[in-house]
Amino acid sequence: GENVEQHPSTLSVQEGDSAVIKCTYSDSASNYFPWYKQELGKGPQLIIDIRSNVGEKKDQRIAVTLNKTAKHFSLHITETQPEDSAVYFCAASRRTGGFKTIFGAGTRLFVKA
Amino acid sequence: SAVISQKPSRDICQRGTSLTIQCQVDSQVTMMFWYRQQPGQSLTLIATANQGSEATYESGFVIDKFPISRPNLTFSTLTVSNMSPEDSSIYLCSVQGRSTDTQYFGPGTRLTVL
Repeated sequence: GENVEQHPSTLSVQEGDSAVIKCTYSDSASNYFPWYKQELGKGPQLIIDIRSNVGEKKDQRIAVTLNKTAKHFSLHITETQPEDSAVYFCAASRRTGGFKTIFGAGTRLFVKA
Repeated sequence: SAVISQKPSRDICQRGTSLTIQCQVDSQVTMMFWYRQQPGQSLTLIATANQGSEATYESGFVIDKFPISRPNLTFSTLTVSNMSPEDSSIYLCSVQGRSTDTQYFGPGTRLTVL
């Protein structure tokens, strides 16, 4: 069946360094790729998303890249801060043949001050 | 973005009892979903709550265990029936807007079953 693989499962960086989280999806009909940040005790919050007709999108310190041919997409966080520490989930979504979203397993990011 | 509230935010329940979780959205939405998130795990879709008709359940989830209601476009409930300790999880309500792919999540209900 369809799945989304997410790596790494845990990532520890020094404050100010960059963090990169990578995902690979299998459903070629996926055309929307959101990223969520989940802090302890809270629900997932959408932080950035990208659609299949775009290769890259940036919002301040956060950027997402998409390679549809390789079915890869990545989250890049620059100048990390302690408040970036959280669990990050990628997802691949499609509308054709019925709405369906598949989530990755999550990456626990630790930013050390 | 949609503002989603859930009640209760957390509960501790006894084995064999049932709990109903409410989800309220501040605007009309096309689709509402219920997810389960076990400790340290990803998000697993339980069902899609359909307005005016029976919910659509994912493999491994059944209506008798997780009955769902959706009486209108802004409200839904999920009941966790005949609970066991294995049902201890975070239950999340999620919505998708009418003309967008974007999916938003509520704050979650943290359920502990003793």
